[in-house]
Amino acid sequence: GAGVSQSPSNKVTEKGKDVELRCDPISGHTALYWYRQSLGQGLEFLIYFQGNSAPDKSGLPSDRFSAERTGGSVSTLTIQRTQQEDSAVYLCSCAETDTQYFGPGTRLTVL
Amino acid sequence: QKEVEQDPGPLSVPEGAIVSLNCTYSNSAFQYFMWYRQYSRKGPELLMYTYSSGNKEDGRFTAQVDKSSKYISLFIRDSQPSDSATYLCAMRSFDAGGTSYGKLTFGQGTILTVHP
Repeated sequence: GAGVSQSPSNKVTEKGKDVELRCDPISGHTALYWYRQSLGQGLEFLIYFQGNSAPDKSGLPSDRFSAERTGGSVSTLTIQRTQQEDSAVYLCSCAETDTQYFGPGTRLTVL
Repeated sequence: QKEVEQDPGPLSVPEGAIVSLNCTYSNSAFQYFMWYRQYSRKGPELLMYTYSSGNKEDGRFTAQVDKSSKYISLFIRDSQPSDSATYLCAMRSFDAGGTSYGKLTFGQGTILTVHP
């Protein structure tokens, strides 16, 4: 009965490095979403996976951002050549029906 | 202009007060409306979900939607210190494809503090 888990919980990196953020959704939830939450801001949609359909990448801010979902379960969000403006909390959510369940997020700090 | 506008506060009220949180939106396609609560360093959790104009009540919480005015509200009665959190409104449009539920568009969140 575990919820959504994300790792790492905190990540500090240097500008220009690549980072990978992981999301383990609730088993059986076919929809998976990534959002970004900057300080004092609401959540900004990044990307959405639904089953075997092509992902909705319309929210990715640049081509430095990519995500994949393997076997319809675990998802990885990759940010290449990180910039200071990438510093934020990255949240993953999943859904079986219409309700999205969120993980605790990964707090990314780019120095 | 953002699609969803929410007063960020912060809002500070005494225990027992009635709290009113509001969002306005500009996209007429939004049909489903939610309120999430987010404690510090945690992910958002769903509080209320509605898809029609009018009121929906759940315990001390009432969600109100006025589609004609593009305005939604969350009322908290008898507020408690444990209600201190950030409250986020969220909404999405109807997906006619039927196989996906689509992204949520969020307000920026209102920080609420209920002091004893």
